[in-house]
Amino acid sequence: AQSVSQHNHHVILSEAASLELGCNYSYGGTVNLFWYVQYPGQHLQLLLKYFSGDPLVKGIKGFEAEFIKSKFSFNLRKPSVQWSDTAEYFCAVNNYGQNFVFGPGTRLSVLP
Amino acid sequence: EAGVVQSPRYKIIEKKQPVAFWCNPISGHNTLYWYRQNLGQGPELLIRYENEEAVDDSQLPKDRFSAERLKGVDSTLKIQPAELGDSAVYLCASSLAGQSLTDTQYFGPGTRLTVL
Repeated sequence: AQSVSQHNHHVILSEAASLELGCNYSYGGTVNLFWYVQYPGQHLQLLLKYFSGDPLVKGIKGFEAEFIKSKFSFNLRKPSVQWSDTAEYFCAVNNYGQNFVFGPGTRLSVLP
Repeated sequence: EAGVVQSPRYKIIEKKQPVAFWCNPISGHNTLYWYRQNLGQGPELLIRYENEEAVDDSQLPKDRFSAERLKGVDSTLKIQPAELGDSAVYLCASSLAGQSLTDTQYFGPGTRLTVL
């Protein structure tokens, strides 16, 4: 069964710092990759997704993620975080025809 | 456009009692998912529907959990009887057509269940 790991449980940054959240998955075949975000008191919503093509994917709010197949990774990045980026971030993976598997999440706190 | 609607938002029950959650997906979305999210963890899929057919219920604890989506639109998830370990947030999500599982899932606000 596929699994998803996220390296950090809680990340604390100051505004304008750069962000990188790690995500690794276990499945060796073709995968679809997602990052979801949950702002305080709000629903889970999609930040970005990768299916094929350019491994560098750009999403909403200045976020991007890079798919590195050889490392089974899909790390999320943002060059300069804002206080409003405080949220919980979930990486999710599915291989074609199978269901989604979510990682445990990383809580990001951005200090003003 | 209305999002995924779930009710109730919160439910507190005593163990061994039954409980039901309701979900209305985004209009036109054929695929509906139920997830359970425990504190500090990511969502775990319980069941996925394509229209009214449950295409994957392998993670649904069938001894006490049941779900239905009779007309292929709204859905109900039931637990009977509830146990202490069922305390969690139950999320509903929908997508246009889930066969390729590349479609974006849209999540509802969830129902937070507390079993005493």
